[in-house]
Amino acid sequence: DAGVTQSPTHLIKTRGQQVTLRCSPKSGHDTVSWYQQALGQGPQFIFQYYEEEERQRGNFPDRFSGHQFPNYSSELNVNALLLGDSALYLCASSLQGVHGYTFGSGTRLTVV
Amino acid sequence: AQSVTQLGSHVSVSEGALVLLRCNYSSSVPPYLFWYVQYPNQGLQLLLKYTTGATLVKGINGFEAEFKKSETSFHLTKPSAHMSDAAEYFCAVSGKENQGGKLIFGQGTELSVKP
Repeated sequence: DAGVTQSPTHLIKTRGQQVTLRCSPKSGHDTVSWYQQALGQGPQFIFQYYEEEERQRGNFPDRFSGHQFPNYSSELNVNALLLGDSALYLCASSLQGVHGYTFGSGTRLTVV
Repeated sequence: AQSVTQLGSHVSVSEGALVLLRCNYSSSVPPYLFWYVQYPNQGLQLLLKYTTGATLVKGINGFEAEFKKSETSFHLTKPSAHMSDAAEYFCAVSGKENQGGKLIFGQGTELSVKP
């Protein structure tokens, strides 16, 4: 049974560019959450998607947006990249209403 | 509002010694509490969680934690450290009223194990 799959694993972008990160949830899960983990810090909640809608959002600017598809997979988009966006981006899937998150291995984004 | 404080960004123990990683939380609602472990260049793996019931929670790899409401603490312990326990450990809190909602993480504690 595959867990949470994220792609790509590593990515280098230039300031001002746009990036799309992808996540496939664990089989049976219908909810996807995204977290940003800066170097040496704990993960910070970006937003959560359920039924193709954003259900919760953390303290992140509108440059961060997302999408969930009918098959429950999700994308995280970041526009106008800043150096400070360099981080490990983690996707976590769960079943709505149940506390049980499965995290992916993350996408390491470097902005130069 | 919820928050998590992990005391000590780095803890070093000898192999076979007791591991104690400290976590204090703040929550205006009954909390769900979690400990995750992160190995280099990997995602987060759940060690254990407290939701309801018994306040002493046993997890994987010999770890356990005790929920102490009066002290707002959820410290992680392991009686005997192993070299493979070296990793980053994160304590997290979520609200019972928001099942499946966001996790609030602490800053993390890096555990080193000396031979």
